[in-house]
Amino acid sequence: EAGVTQFPSHSVIEKGQTVTLRCDPISGHDNLYWYRRVMGKEIKFLLHFVKESKQDESGMPNNRFLAERTGGTYSTLKVQPAELEDSGVYFCASSPDRYGYTFGSGTRLTVV
Amino acid sequence: QKEVEQNSGPLSVPEGAIASLNCTYSDRGSQSFFWYRQYSGKSPELIMFIYSNGDKEDGRFTAQLNKASQYVSLLIRDSQPSDSATYLCAVPRWGGTSYGKLTFGQGTILTVHP
Repeated sequence: EAGVTQFPSHSVIEKGQTVTLRCDPISGHDNLYWYRRVMGKEIKFLLHFVKESKQDESGMPNNRFLAERTGGTYSTLKVQPAELEDSGVYFCASSPDRYGYTFGSGTRLTVV
Repeated sequence: QKEVEQNSGPLSVPEGAIASLNCTYSDRGSQSFFWYRQYSGKSPELIMFIYSNGDKEDGRFTAQLNKASQYVSLLIRDSQPSDSATYLCAVPRWGGTSYGKLTFGQGTILTVHP
């Protein structure tokens, strides 16, 4: 079974540019989550999809972040325009139920 | 007070010793708890979950839960250098719109030295 795939693995962009992160969950997992770890801080929840619907987006920092999940399959997280404080590691996780979370290896975003 | 707190360490133990990792949580209504292991630059990997008071054992790992005192711990017996990683305590939230949202502690860095 393929795991959760994220790409790119690394991205370095300039402040003000746009970046799009992609997550391919495990096939059949209805639940898809985005998390972020800023250096020195704990991993924090950003949002949760159930199939193609946003279940909970309470962790999204501001309206520069836009997440979508096309047809209940892969998801994208766009940051536009990027700011320095957006730097960190963005993780995606998928789950079929309450316990089966699987995380991707993350995208390390650096905004300079 | 943070919702989930861990001692960030680093915790250093000799090979073969028992490593003890602790986590406290603030929401008394929390029902289940996860322990993840994360190697540098890799994804968090689930190693244990526990939802009942007491101990749960899986190989060299034992999770202990005390809901009255609101703490959960992870013991690693016969520690190996390959256990060197960051250990993350995570609490899922259920109810309302928070279906499975995880709240993480900051993680404890464990180093097992030969």
